[in-house]
Amino acid sequence: AQSVTQLGSHVSVSEGALVLLRCNYSSSVPPYLFWYVQYPNQGLQLLLKYTSAATLVKGINGFEAEFKKSETSFHLTKPSAHMSDAAEYFCAVSEPGRRALTFGSGTRLQVQP
Amino acid sequence: DAGVIQSPRHEVTEMGQEVTLRCKPISGHNSLFWYRQTMMRGLELLIYFNNNVPIDDSGMPEDRFSAKMPNASFSTLKIQPSEPRDSAVYFCASTEKERANTGELFFGEGSRLTVL
Repeated sequence: AQSVTQLGSHVSVSEGALVLLRCNYSSSVPPYLFWYVQYPNQGLQLLLKYTSAATLVKGINGFEAEFKKSETSFHLTKPSAHMSDAAEYFCAVSEPGRRALTFGSGTRLQVQP
Repeated sequence: DAGVIQSPRHEVTEMGQEVTLRCKPISGHNSLFWYRQTMMRGLELLIYFNNNVPIDDSGMPEDRFSAKMPNASFSTLKIQPSEPRDSAVYFCASTEKERANTGELFFGEGSRLTVL
């Protein structure tokens, strides 16, 4: 069975600082991996996805993530945080051919002025 | 393009009442998903449909929950009778055939259910 673990339910950074949100996965086959963002009172929006092409994936709003098979990780980074990045971020995994996603527990990002 | 449309956005009801949540997927999408989000359990898959047929309903909590997709543009999630522990945000999501195997989903804004 596939699963995702997000380390840290809350992360706080200063505006302009590096953002690093951690995600480790477990899957019996090479997975597809995703980061979604959820703003207050809204649905989830796809930030980026890894589907077995380039291991460094660039997404919207300046975010990127690197797939590291040896570490079973897919951490999300952004060089410089902006106030508008404050939201909850979810890592998710799916297996090829299986449409449904399994989500991590989420990390709430706070950006301090 | 219109996104996934869910209704109602907010519902407050009393224990024992029937609740019906509705979803209109994005036109052309042939897979539809219902997820539930709570503080305690995070995002859980309840059920998903492919071409209007339920494929995996193993996440449906119990017989009080039922979901239908009578046609490609409409789905319902029904709880009867409702209980306070059903209070959550219920999300509907859809995806198209070309994206199906990668699992990329498009989410609605959710229906926030409070059962008193």
